[in-house]
Amino acid sequence: SAVISQKPSRDICQRGTSLTIQCQVDSQVTMMFWYRQQPGQSLTLIATANQGSEATYESGFVIDKFPISRPNLTFSTLTVSNMSPEDSSIYLCSVGNQGGYEQYFGPGTRLTVT
Amino acid sequence: GQQLNQSPQSMFIQEGEDVSMNCTSSSIFNTWLWYKQEPGEGPVLLIALYKAGELTSNGRLTAQFGITRKDSFLNISASIPSDVGIYFCAGQLSGTASKLTFGTGTRLQVTL
Repeated sequence: SAVISQKPSRDICQRGTSLTIQCQVDSQVTMMFWYRQQPGQSLTLIATANQGSEATYESGFVIDKFPISRPNLTFSTLTVSNMSPEDSSIYLCSVGNQGGYEQYFGPGTRLTVT
Repeated sequence: GQQLNQSPQSMFIQEGEDVSMNCTSSSIFNTWLWYKQEPGEGPVLLIALYKAGELTSNGRLTAQFGITRKDSFLNISASIPSDVGIYFCAGQLSGTASKLTFGTGTRLQVTL
């Protein structure tokens, strides 16, 4: 399976600021996804990152709050904008290939907003 | 949105015991996946199931895709301390492309 890295691994940010999280894969993949995992909770899909077009957001998540880029088949970014303490979570990217349903996850970015 | 219910929520077992956990839904799923997440890491895929009734093993782990396509089971035999973690089921609903819905998780603790 692909090797997936995320940067930063963790960060502590002040409310009102924004943080951009990077996801890099060592091989080309069709699908890339961004998830949020709140403390002690399960994973919730934020959006599907589409290469060369706007991301597809899930209910409850909007582009203004979580802008996503995917310039090529190996890289994506998620920005958490105008942060509040409620945004404190682990943010995970995952990858998969078209027609398959197996997803492989990066190590996550642990965000704390003060 | 759609939710997958996992049970038990947590388990405390002794090393060497067998473990069984399940995942249920009111909807039909086309695919079931089982993941394990350890502290500070992302989930790791353990087993993928694609057909109703399918039984698949990965070492000491065995998972089954329920015949009704609304549930799945994961068994771990002869548990060891490194089995500690949170186990998540995930399913792919018909008509949802490659998107996965995750279960609520089962936290496993293994004592010596």
